[in-house]
Amino acid sequence: GNSVTQMEGPVTLSEEAFLTINCTYTATGYPSLFWYVQYPGEGLQLLLKATKADDKGSNKGFEATYRKETTSFHLEKGSVQVSDSAVYFCALRGSGGSYIPTFGRGTSLIVHP
Amino acid sequence: DSGVTQTPKHLITATGQRVTLRCSPRSGDLSVYWYQQSLDQGLQFLIQYYNGEERAKGNILERFSAQQFPDLHSELNLSSLELGDSALYFCASSPRGPTNEKLFFGSGTQLSVL
Repeated sequence: GNSVTQMEGPVTLSEEAFLTINCTYTATGYPSLFWYVQYPGEGLQLLLKATKADDKGSNKGFEATYRKETTSFHLEKGSVQVSDSAVYFCALRGSGGSYIPTFGRGTSLIVHP
Repeated sequence: DSGVTQTPKHLITATGQRVTLRCSPRSGDLSVYWYQQSLDQGLQFLIQYYNGEERAKGNILERFSAQQFPDLHSELNLSSLELGDSALYFCASSPRGPTNEKLFFGSGTQLSVL
């Protein structure tokens, strides 16, 4: 079945540091890949997505590239802010068979001033 | 605001009791998904409904059941509650079933079983 593996957190950074959160996946076919963000006390909201190999999703300074050869979709940001502190979830949605979105366990990011 | 409404926001109850969680999807969305979020299990898919019909089942216990009504709102019923059922329950909606579109999440119902 489909699965998503994320690096464990928390990830603790100082403001303006570079961020990478690793995500790898297992799926058949050609899934779509997503990063969702959950701010304290809120539901998940879509941050960015990529629907085919080599696509780069980007939003609010965050980027992730769909790498089929390494089955990865790592999240990056060049300069984090305190307001980026949240839990980040990598997810996939299959292209056939099981299209139910599968989420990773989430990675907590804490950014200090 | 995602447009998905979940009530209540918090629920405190005792073991052995039964509760109902309610979800109103975004206007026009036909698919409703229920997820359970806990510290040890992460975000676990429970069940999906599409236009009133059950479409997919995940790790949903037999003590749990759900339905989607003609107006497309959904309810998740949890019975014979145990301490381990304490978690954050999310509802999400999407416009159609088998597509690659994103989900829109509600803010969740925090269930505490004492």
